[in-house]
Amino acid sequence: DAGVTQSPTHLIKTRGQHVTLRCSPISGHKSVSWYQQVLGQGPQFIFQYYEKEERGRGNFPDRFSARQFPNYSSELNVNALLLGDSALYLCASSLASGGAYEQYFGPGTRLTVT
Amino acid sequence: AQSVTQLGSHVSVSEGALVLLRCNYSSSVPPYLFWYVQYPNQGLQLLLKYTTGATLVKGINGFEAEFKKSETSFHLTKPSAHMSDAAEYFCAVRFTGANSKLTFGKGITLSVRP
Repeated sequence: DAGVTQSPTHLIKTRGQHVTLRCSPISGHKSVSWYQQVLGQGPQFIFQYYEKEERGRGNFPDRFSARQFPNYSSELNVNALLLGDSALYLCASSLASGGAYEQYFGPGTRLTVT
Repeated sequence: AQSVTQLGSHVSVSEGALVLLRCNYSSSVPPYLFWYVQYPNQGLQLLLKYTTGATLVKGINGFEAEFKKSETSFHLTKPSAHMSDAAEYFCAVRFTGANSKLTFGKGITLSVRP
């Protein structure tokens, strides 16, 4: 079975622009979470979606938004990009929400804001 | 506040030596505990997890970790390091009521000397 896939792999944007990152979960997984990993740090939680509903939101500004589609894939949108948004964005999927369910991570999208 | 601490940012061992990577968490209720490994330019791979039951858990690639409630610790060990173990290691915690949100430590870079 295919793992979690993310697109694009790399992206370069200019300050003030908007970006959309995409994630396809493992088949059968209904929960998708997004994390931001700045160089040299551990991943920081941004959002979690389960059955197309937002189940959790991290400490990120309203410029960050996400949604989950009926096929359980997800998009992360970031508006008005800042230099500080440069990071590796990771998507993780799990069978369901919470509990002991393992999260499986994709390879990430490397976003560079210039 | 609930937090995860990984002391030190870099550990260097000789090939064949014991690997010990430390992780402590701050919570009054035992959480679910995970160790992930990240190779350069890749996503995160789950090494092992503790949810309930036996406090010594075995993972992939010969790694194991022991949950010690009294010490609020979940240290990762491997009896004999291999060159291929060189990577970054993250301790992650799912606190009670956090849905799927994982809180990560800052990570530890493991180097293995020949």
